[in-house]
Amino acid sequence: GNSVTQMEGPVTLSEEAFLTINCTYTATGYPSLFWYVQYPGEGLQLLLKATKADDKGSNKGFEATYRKETTSFHLEKGSVQVSDSAVYFCALHGGSQGNLIFGKGTKLSVKP
Amino acid sequence: TAGITQAPTSQILAAGRSMTLRCTQDMRHNAMYWYRQDLGLGLRLIHYSNTAGTTGKGEVPDGYSVSRANTDDFPLTLASAVPSQTSVYFCASSVTGESEAFFGQGTRLTVV
Repeated sequence: GNSVTQMEGPVTLSEEAFLTINCTYTATGYPSLFWYVQYPGEGLQLLLKATKADDKGSNKGFEATYRKETTSFHLEKGSVQVSDSAVYFCALHGGSQGNLIFGKGTKLSVKP
Repeated sequence: TAGITQAPTSQILAAGRSMTLRCTQDMRHNAMYWYRQDLGLGLRLIHYSNTAGTTGKGEVPDGYSVSRANTDDFPLTLASAVPSQTSVYFCASSVTGESEAFFGQGTRLTVV
């Protein structure tokens, strides 16, 4: 079945460091891919998405490219801020009920 | 725009009692979902509804029921709560099963 695997956390970085959170997927066909962010005490918010191979999603300085060759959708940001501290979820549209399938989440902590 | 509203925000519930978690959206989305979020497990789909009047079971439906009498409301009922249902519950909606999902703020439920 369809599934998403993302790197285990927690990830702790200093402000202005480079961020990569790895995400790989298993799916039939080419589903849309998403990154969601969850700030402390809040629900999930869509961060970015890509709907087809080679698409690059971007938002708030974050980027991710849909790579069908490596079945990956890694999240990157060139210079993280303390306000980026949150839990990040990779997801794909591919559930049998039309739902999103999520990775287990990666907690990011950015220190000043 | 309110988006998705969940109530209550948090609740402590005695084991064996029943409870309904409320979810209302004002975006006229066709599809709605209930997920539970547990540490180390990510988000798991409990029940879903692709359109008013229809519902279906997700990955972890046991002990929960839902109804979808109209487009806006999608309540989740625990008939007889057990401690393993202690979790954070998120309601979500999407225009269709193929589009991105929007999440509520969550309900933190503790069953004691």
